Amino acid sequence: DIQMTQSPSSLSASVGDRVTITCRASQSISTYLNWYQQKPGKAPKLLIYAASRLQSGVPSRFSGSGSGTDFTLTISSLQPEDFATYYCQQSYSSAFGQGTKLEIK
Amino acid sequence: QITLKESGPTLVKPTQTLTLTCTFSGFSLNTSGVSVGWIRQPPGKALEWLALIYWDDDKRYSPSLKSRLTITKDTSKNQVVLTMTNMDPVDTATYYCAHRPRITIFGVAYNWFDPWGQGTLVTVSS
Repeated sequence: DIQMTQSPSSLSASVGDRVTITCRASQSISTYLNWYQQKPGKAPKLLIYAASRLQSGVPSRFSGSGSGTDFTLTISSLQPEDFATYYCQQSYSSAFGQGTKLEIK
Repeated sequence: QITLKESGPTLVKPTQTLTLTCTFSGFSLNTSGVSVGWIRQPPGKALEWLALIYWDDDKRYSPSLKSRLTITKDTSKNQVVLTMTNMDPVDTATYYCAHRPRITIFGVAYNWFDPWGQGTLVTVSS
């Protein structure tokens, strides 16, 4: 099985900060990597697919990069509505990372 | 507009079998490349992928739960059904179904879960 490891597991930041979340695969997954945002009590929402492609309607402050085993999700300037939990997911076997909780500092 | 909605029992007893139904609209499971997945999330914990069913009736299961899961589809009703046997309190979770399209970018096929249903909380307790 391909395992996905996210870091950090939690992160405190302020509005306006630039934030980067990392996801590492246990073996190469090319660019078969998606990112989701989940707010409390809500279903996850797709942000990024194919490692770097922004889903329609998602603000441009979100970006994704990487290929092979190492991937990043970057939020260029945090907005209040961005405080949530973020998950990576590899689409070979659909496994998710353990999540990164982004909290207000 | 694609929508999905999960339905089923909110409470099951240990050792019982759980049956959940995902009813969807806005797409067809007869369309080549399309699949529907089930994902669960225990309270306060991470997402866990469970199963997929494809337009051609191919099926994939999480290796850790494969022996307990069965996924089926009824394209005439626009429904996907997940059964999980031998339920245990650790299976208490919100269960989601999600649309999984297949899109080709520069000759490479990609897929993702979008959109998701609202989820249904299943509690396992005697």
